[in-house]
Amino acid sequence: LAKTTQPISMDSYEGQEVNITCSHNNIATNDYITWYQQFPSQGPRFIIQGYKTKVTNEVASLFIPADRKSSTLSLPRVSLSDTAVYYCLVVDGNTGKLIFGQGTTLQVKP
Amino acid sequence: NAGVMQNPRHLVRRRGQEARLRCSPMKGHSHVYWYRQLPEEGLKFMVYLQKENIIDESGMPKERFSAEFPKEGPSILRIQQVVRGDSAAYFCASSPRRGREETQYFGPGTRLLVL
Repeated sequence: LAKTTQPISMDSYEGQEVNITCSHNNIATNDYITWYQQFPSQGPRFIIQGYKTKVTNEVASLFIPADRKSSTLSLPRVSLSDTAVYYCLVVDGNTGKLIFGQGTTLQVKP
Repeated sequence: NAGVMQNPRHLVRRRGQEARLRCSPMKGHSHVYWYRQLPEEGLKFMVYLQKENIIDESGMPKERFSAEFPKEGPSILRIQQVVRGDSAAYFCASSPRRGREETQYFGPGTRLLVL
């Protein structure tokens, strides 16, 4: 089964850029990598999705190297409201199963 | 277009009782996923259903747990004879298609507490 690794927690200050990396070996060749944000007592919310290189939307950027063994979620100029848990979601290369990362708790301080 | 609906939002059961969790996917979505999240832990896949069919139930305990997604009505996750270890948040997600660009949309979850 694909194994994902994310830092358990990260601290940042308002206005800084935050980069969260998820390492994932043996992911499906043709499937996208997706990142979600989860606030306490809420369901995960889609942030961004990509296949390779760089993807950018209004809230984040996603960097995926050519070997696709990792992906980095980049949050520009974080605010207190970005304090949440961030998960990567990949597809296992052998079984096609969906694998969530263990999540990174981001704490943004004033 | 309403989002994914789950009810109840909170459910309290005594050991040995049955818990029934309901999920109404977004309009036009025929793919439903159930996940379990234990306190202070990440999301664990349980089951994937597509209208009237169970596609992948590899993450679901072999006993006491079952899921369905009938032609009409919400998807149901059923837990029989609940035990304290079943206390968790159960999330449902839906998507319009399965494939490389699939995006899952999550509901608010049902928090099950077993006394």
